[in-house]
Amino acid sequence: GQSLEQPSEVTAVEGAIVQINCTYQTSGFYGLSWYQQHDGGAPTFLSYNGLDGLEETGRFSSFLSRSDSYGYLLLQELQMKDSASYFCAVKAAGNKLTFGGGTRVLVKP
Amino acid sequence: NAGVTQTPKFQVLKTGQSMTLQCAQDMNHEYMSWYRQDPGMGLRLIHYSVGAGITDQGEVPNGYNVSRSTTEDFPLRLLSAAPSQTSVYFCASSFSGGVDEQYFGPGTRLTVT
Repeated sequence: GQSLEQPSEVTAVEGAIVQINCTYQTSGFYGLSWYQQHDGGAPTFLSYNGLDGLEETGRFSSFLSRSDSYGYLLLQELQMKDSASYFCAVKAAGNKLTFGGGTRVLVKP
Repeated sequence: NAGVTQTPKFQVLKTGQSMTLQCAQDMNHEYMSWYRQDPGMGLRLIHYSVGAGITDQGEVPNGYNVSRSTTEDFPLRLLSAAPSQTSVYFCASSFSGGVDEQYFGPGTRLTVT
C-alpha cells in the first residue's frame, strides 16, 4: 500500500518562510502533488512534481527527490490568507491518489 | 463553466437509510473520484472511475456503490447508512487521473444518527 507522513501543524508569523516536508512509501510512483484546503472549503491544487527538482509558482515552491521518497512545499512571504491545511498526495499504481494526513499552517500577525 | 458540482450540501440520515450523493462535472474529464474526509484528517479514496462504464474501488469502498453511465455524472450510493459514515464527501475530476490537477466539488456534509 501507500503511506505518507507530514507534520501535523506549523505556526509562523506573517512574512516568514515555512517548509512542509512529506515522506512517502509507495509502489509504482508517478509524482507528488500538493493541495491547499481552507477550513470548511474544498481542496485546491497547488503544484505537482513528476521529476526530481524544484517547481516554483509565485510564492509557493515544491521539491521532489524520488531517490529519497521525499518532497516539500515551501511557502514564502507568508500572508494571513495562507492559514490553511496543506496535503501532499501521491499517484501510484492503479491510478489511485493517496493523500497525507495534512499539515495545518497557522499564520500569526 | 460550473466545474464540479455536488448535491446536496448537507444531509442528515438515520441509521439504515439509503441515499445517493450526486456529482457532476462539465469539463469533459475522464477521471472522477469520491473521497471522504473525517475531522482533522486527510482524504481517503472511496471509489474512482477512469471513464464512462469503468469504476474501481479505492481505499475505503465498503458500504458504498458507484456507477458511471455518462462522462459527466458519478453518483455515490450509500446502501445502509451507519454512524461511521458521518463525514464530508468530496467528488473530484481530472483529465488523466492523479498526475494532473484534480478539481474538487464543494463537498457534502453527511451526518448519520
